[in-house]
Amino acid sequence: DAGVIQSPRHEVTEMGQEVTLRCKPISGHNSLFWYRQTMMRGLELLIYFNNNVPIDDSGMPEDRFSAKMPNASFSTLKIQPSEPRDSAVYFCASSLLGTSYPSKNIQYFGAGTRLSVL
Amino acid sequence: DQQVKQNSPSLSVQEGRISILNCDYTNSMFDYFLWYKKYPAEGPTFLISISSIKDKNEDGRFTVFLNKSAKHLSLHIVPSQPGDSAVYFCAASAGEYGNKLVFGAGTILRVKS
Repeated sequence: DAGVIQSPRHEVTEMGQEVTLRCKPISGHNSLFWYRQTMMRGLELLIYFNNNVPIDDSGMPEDRFSAKMPNASFSTLKIQPSEPRDSAVYFCASSLLGTSYPSKNIQYFGAGTRLSVL
Repeated sequence: DQQVKQNSPSLSVQEGRISILNCDYTNSMFDYFLWYKKYPAEGPTFLISISSIKDKNEDGRFTVFLNKSAKHLSLHIVPSQPGDSAVYFCAASAGEYGNKLVFGAGTILRVKS
């Protein structure tokens, strides 16, 4: 299995530009997560999807951030307009949410996208 | 409000000795706990987990202990190897079909040869 695939690995953009990060989850997984990692806040959950439906977006910092999952094999995280404080590493993760208790929620992460907004 | 805390930002251990990484949590609803390892420029990778119905889980050199009354878990690595040098994250989930993971801030482990 190829694992979770994120693109691009690095993105450098100027303030005000639109940024789109992409993620391909592991085939067969039914949950997808977007995280942001910064020195100040560590690894924080932005949004997650179950069966392509957004379940919890309470971690999305503001309206400039949006995420979509049009099908089971693709998701995007968009920032428009981007600001310097958005500079961080963004991770995508996927998991197979089961029905047993306790649910063994093992999330598998991509390599991340390092975003720099100048 | 940090529900999962890793109070030691870093730990340095000699090769061959035991590494003990600690994690405390505040939410009594957490019922599944995981440890992830992260190398620079890579994503976190799953290491080992434990459910609340157990107090110990072993996988090779890695053992996780859970003390529910103290809301504390620890990861033991024996023997430690230089390749174990990485950032270790503790994570927890709650609920009947727990999905969200809450991560600690991480502990940097350095294993000296």
